Amino acid sequence: GDSVTQMEGPVTLSEEAFLTINCTYTATGYPSLFWYVQYPGEGLQLLLKATKADDKGSNKGFEATYRKETTSFHLEKGSVQVSDSAVYFCALSDQGQAGTALIFGKGTTLSVSS
Amino acid sequence: EPEVTQTPSHQVTQMGQEVILRCVPISNHLYFYWYRQILGQKVEFLVSFYNNEISEKSEIFDDQFSVERPDGSNFTLKIRSTKLEDSAMYFCASSGVSGYYEQYFGPGTRLTVT
Repeated sequence: GDSVTQMEGPVTLSEEAFLTINCTYTATGYPSLFWYVQYPGEGLQLLLKATKADDKGSNKGFEATYRKETTSFHLEKGSVQVSDSAVYFCALSDQGQAGTALIFGKGTTLSVSS
Repeated sequence: EPEVTQTPSHQVTQMGQEVILRCVPISNHLYFYWYRQILGQKVEFLVSFYNNEISEKSEIFDDQFSVERPDGSNFTLKIRSTKLEDSAMYFCASSGVSGYYEQYFGPGTRLTVT
């Protein structure tokens, strides 16, 4: 079945460092891809998404490009801030329809220090 | 900004007892979901619900589980006879029927079965 694999954490960075969190997927069709973020004590929030190959999702300085050839959707940010400390989840949906399950990776904890 | 809320934030119960986890989805949303995350593991889809019917369910969602929309605002997950392995964080989510169907998540209920 469909699955998502993301790099193990925790990832510990200093403020203004470059961030990459790797995510690869396995899917039979052409899934939509997502990054969700969970700040302490809060629910999962959609950070960015891409619905087809070569699409780049971006939000709050974060970017990820849908790479069909490498089945990847790596999350990047050029300069992290302390406020970016959170758990990041990569996810896919094999159909772009309401009611469809999201399939998540295990999550990667990011800790940014000043 | 509208948000999904869940109660309680933490529930402790004894093995074999019934529990009901409650969620208030965003008011104009029509699709509702439950996910769970066992500590250290992936966020897993349980069920989606639309128009008072289950839309999709996973293998995890067996006869022990049920969902209900008892009124116009609440969405509940009932676990009939809890087992130790039901201990997890349970997330509720909701989505609309137009646009991209982004799923909005609540903060979760931590269920501990002793």
